[in-house]
Amino acid sequence: EIVLTQSPGTLSLSPGDRATLSCRASQSVSTSFLAWYQHKPGQAPRLLIYETSTRATGIPDRFSGSGSGTDFTLTISRLEPEDFAVFYCQRYGTSPLFGQGTKLEIK
Amino acid sequence: VKLVESGGGLMPPGGSLRLSCAGSGFAFDSYAMSWVRQVPGKGLEWVSSISGLGGSTYYADSVKGRFTISRDNSKNTLYLQMNSLRAEDTAEYYCARIVSRNWGLLEYWGQGTLVTVSS
Repeated sequence: EIVLTQSPGTLSLSPGDRATLSCRASQSVSTSFLAWYQHKPGQAPRLLIYETSTRATGIPDRFSGSGSGTDFTLTISRLEPEDFAVFYCQRYGTSPLFGQGTKLEIK
Repeated sequence: VKLVESGGGLMPPGGSLRLSCAGSGFAFDSYAMSWVRQVPGKGLEWVSSISGLGGSTYYADSVKGRFTISRDNSKNTLYLQMNSLRAEDTAEYYCARIVSRNWGLLEYWGQGTLVTVSS
């Protein structure tokens, strides 16, 4: 059974910083089926990236995704105050699987 | 696109509950839908998915045999029938619309409804 492990668990950064979030799979994941979501407390989760590197509709270009095989990365080039949230990677398909999340907090 | 969940509440272990998700602003029967839950303080967990016409359904192992996903396209409504509830089913339950031809890729989400299983 595949497991997605995200690191770090918590990332403390300041607005304007660059954020790099990691998602490691226990076995290879097709780049066609890797997504990232942002979730703020009390709000609906938001799809950010799909197919590893394609931004969803309306997502600013400071968000980017990369990776292949077992290692995937979400990068936020320059943090805005509204970016602080919990981020999840996901392998989608008929049996979707989420990582445990990375909390991005203001330093 | 709007998705609004309802039906959450407090139930004893072993009880049953039916969640609903009303969709609007899109051709409801053209999209597969999913339920995803979040245990308080924990991450997201996919629960179940159903195709646009209801002919195909998928379940997480943790709910298989206890939960049933269904939909009434005449009412633009998605359901999750939850039986034999356990304490570990306590969570916020979200419905979400699946991106066309991309099973499990969740484009639009509702705000969630809280289910608490406790005696």
